[in-house]
Amino acid sequence: GDSVTQMEGPVTLSEEAFLTINCTYTATGYPSLFWYVQYPGEGLQLLLKATKADDKGSNKGFEATYRKETTSFHLEKGSVQVSDSAVYFCALIPSMNTGFQKLVFGTGTRLLVSP
Amino acid sequence: DAGVTQSPTHLIKTRGQQVTLRCSPKSGHDTVSWYQQALGQGPQFIFQYYEEEERQRGNFPDRFSGHQFPNYSSELNVNALLLGDSALYLCASSLSRGLSNQPQHFGDGTRLSIL
Repeated sequence: GDSVTQMEGPVTLSEEAFLTINCTYTATGYPSLFWYVQYPGEGLQLLLKATKADDKGSNKGFEATYRKETTSFHLEKGSVQVSDSAVYFCALIPSMNTGFQKLVFGTGTRLLVSP
Repeated sequence: DAGVTQSPTHLIKTRGQQVTLRCSPKSGHDTVSWYQQALGQGPQFIFQYYEEEERQRGNFPDRFSGHQFPNYSSELNVNALLLGDSALYLCASSLSRGLSNQPQHFGDGTRLSIL
């Protein structure tokens, strides 16, 4: 079935460091891909999305490119801030042919940024 | 513009009891999905409601049931609670207009603890 695999955390970085969080997926057809962020005590917020191969999603300095050949959607940011500390979830919605919007999540990667 | 609101924020129950969680979708949204997020895990899809009917269901037993009202709000009911039902329950809303990759907006969740 459809699944998402993320790198295990925590990822610990100093402020202004470069961030990469790896995400790969298994799915039939052409899923839509998402990154969500969860701050302590809160629900999930959509960070960015990509709906077709080679699309690049971007928001708040974060970027991810939909790579169908490697079934990957790695999250990157050039310079992290302490306020980026949170748990990041990679997710997919299976092929649009299914007609509804079930999100399949990875297990999440905790990011800790120190001053 | 109010986002997704869930109530209560925290709940403590004992094994065998029943619980009802509530969700009001973001204004203008007509579809509600429920997810269970165990500690340290990614959210798992429970079910989705659209036009007051359950449209799709994840791998959860019949103890989990739901309802959607004409105003699009929704309830999640869990009967015969087990210790393993302790989790953060997230509600997400979206607009079901054609494409299945419309972003889902999440509430802050209800933290359910089973003693």
